[in-house]
Amino acid sequence: ETGVTQTPRHLVMGMTNKKSLKCEQHLGHNAMYWYKQSAKKPLELMFVYSLEERVENNSVPSRFSPECPNSSHLFLHLHTLQPEDSALYLCASSSDTWREFSVGTDTQYFGPGTRLTVL
Amino acid sequence: GENVEQHPSTLSVQEGDSAVIKCTYSDSASNYFPWYKQELGKGPQLIIDIRSNVGEKKDQRIAVTLNKTAKHFSLHITETQPEDSAVYFCAASIRSNDYKLSFGAGTTVTVRA
Repeated sequence: ETGVTQTPRHLVMGMTNKKSLKCEQHLGHNAMYWYKQSAKKPLELMFVYSLEERVENNSVPSRFSPECPNSSHLFLHLHTLQPEDSALYLCASSSDTWREFSVGTDTQYFGPGTRLTVL
Repeated sequence: GENVEQHPSTLSVQEGDSAVIKCTYSDSASNYFPWYKQELGKGPQLIIDIRSNVGEKKDQRIAVTLNKTAKHFSLHITETQPEDSAVYFCAASIRSNDYKLSFGAGTTVTVRA
């Protein structure tokens, strides 16, 4: 788990709060991902960044705002969330060779997640 | 898009017995199939993966088989141990041009001592 770290591990927030989730990868990867994991549902891909450029925005509500300042860090800014947004938010990283070498993205490695509760 | 179905949703086995989890996928272009294990309070960890040019892959007590014609792949755990208890996820993707891993809903495996 030391390859991809996430902070905080737990977060409780009200619907009017603004908070941010942080992800950091120490694997030398150049692609990073945000997933949402809800009980009894498959992991849902939210955002993908490759070489610090957003390449995927999977119809996520605007109350979730990602930021990727460099290839090692990824943030998810939260504001005006709803109770149904309560979930485990997972960050992942991979070595993206597609954009450079036209060869597919490699294995994704996950962080431990942030357990978010929206009151 | 790709749709991955995973069965069973829960699986209880006696220690030492084998466990099998099956997944089916819908897109015949999918060519990369990883399996992840998620323990309580942790993120998913890759345990084994297989590419479409291979029919079977084994790593100690874990093996994965792929049937491209039928579009299904399976995870086999032999000689199960209590530490194998976790949630297991299968996934599929088209590695050549897609960032998306489409995940199954997960299987909760409990190994009874």
